[in-house]
Amino acid sequence: DGGITQSPKYLFRKEGQNVTLSCEQNLNHDAMYWYRQDPGQGLRLIYYSQIVNDFQKGDIAEGYSVSREKKESFPLTVTSAQKNPTAFYLCASSPPVWDRGRNGYNEQFFGPGTRLTVL
Amino acid sequence: QKEVEQDPGPLSVPEGAIVSLNCTYSNSAFQYFMWYRQYSRKGPELLMYTYSSGNKEDGRFTAQVDKSSKYISLFIRDSQPSDSATYLCAMRTGTASKLTFGTGTRLQVTL
Repeated sequence: DGGITQSPKYLFRKEGQNVTLSCEQNLNHDAMYWYRQDPGQGLRLIYYSQIVNDFQKGDIAEGYSVSREKKESFPLTVTSAQKNPTAFYLCASSPPVWDRGRNGYNEQFFGPGTRLTVL
Repeated sequence: QKEVEQDPGPLSVPEGAIVSLNCTYSNSAFQYFMWYRQYSRKGPELLMYTYSSGNKEDGRFTAQVDKSSKYISLFIRDSQPSDSATYLCAMRTGTASKLTFGTGTRLQVTL
């Protein structure tokens, strides 16, 4: 089955600790994304990567870091510099803009999410 | 002002009702418009995808885009309790891969 996996599903962190959220896809997509979702604020883009070894900051990158060493993997580290890290984190992937995929359009596929709680 | 505005609801309707969900946007460069459905504690899934202006129908769902008014809508006919979810509008320009999302509207369909 092709898809996106995120782990863990639930994560608890003490203040001052860094934590890393995993995102893996086997869809052979070039682009991958990290979003944060808070109640009443929709999805906000943290970082995105269009190709291996390259990534760009999204709208709320402060306090986060990413790496893209493999096409399949795009881990997100929530650092101690992130002041309010408790949220639902979603990873997504998509084919290139020029590739309209099997359905005829460029779609972002989402993983199941990781709920991070800071204690 | 946010680039994409969406009423967060909640919107409660009886089973069988027609539901209308809407978003407005300010960036005239947006060309691709999407509606995602998100069940509680799950990732969003794509429901409808529309390019430029016009209507698109898929079963009980109809997506409308009015670029002149910068307004998009999703209609759900014969709503079912299984339609209870949060509906997120999303859009992007022709050259960018990243999406801009609305805040989502929470829909509750009651028996």
